[in-house]
Amino acid sequence: SYVLTQPPSVSVAPGQTATLTCGGNHIGRKSVHWYQHRPGQAPILVIYEDRDRPSGIPERFSGSNSGDTATLTINWVGAGDEADYYCQVWDTSSDHPGVFGGGTKLTVL
Amino acid sequence: EVQLLESGGSLVQPGGSLRLSCEASAFIFNKYAMAWVRQAPGKGLEWVSAISASGGSTYYAASVQGRFIISRDNSKNTLYLQMNSLRADDTAVYYCAKARRPQPPLSFDFWGQGTLLTVSS
Repeated sequence: SYVLTQPPSVSVAPGQTATLTCGGNHIGRKSVHWYQHRPGQAPILVIYEDRDRPSGIPERFSGSNSGDTATLTINWVGAGDEADYYCQVWDTSSDHPGVFGGGTKLTVL
Repeated sequence: EVQLLESGGSLVQPGGSLRLSCEASAFIFNKYAMAWVRQAPGKGLEWVSAISASGGSTYYAASVQGRFIISRDNSKNTLYLQMNSLRADDTAVYYCAKARRPQPPLSFDFWGQGTLLTVSS
């Protein structure tokens, strides 16, 4: 089955830019979605189809996808952005198509 | 505002069965695929199962294939997950999620708060 690889943790100072990666074999050929998950809360979709933002998600959140790496970029990071972030794809070639990455814990220093 | 309210989580013995429910409101339920996603203690999100808007197509993770059954009642705006032959590693918070489209490929734009299943003797 398809595997998505995310670094376990990323730390960034307030006001700086956080770059979260999601690796997968030829992931650039797939649509990648990103979720923010704070403890005890429902996950939130922050980027869908590589780079689109749902209504209500700030423009500080952006996405890209090429080759073997998809990237979620968060500009002007604030304390409220501290959360776990997961990438996700739907692997249409698999009998078990839903796939999440292992998640990255974003810490705001 | 879209709302997804899960229920049915509890403590179950290994080998037991349980059915989770997810009651949806504030959107046209029969126009969107739905899914279950779980998070075991200290672990990440794991996709469990999904069902198309009509209910005609279902999809399962390898870890639950043959033990779990997803279904929906579009007349009741409710999603279900029948879980059989439960194991300790099924212990998790189970989230109900609304897909952005009626059929795959899927991403999930609204999630419930989750319901806790504990499998233990």
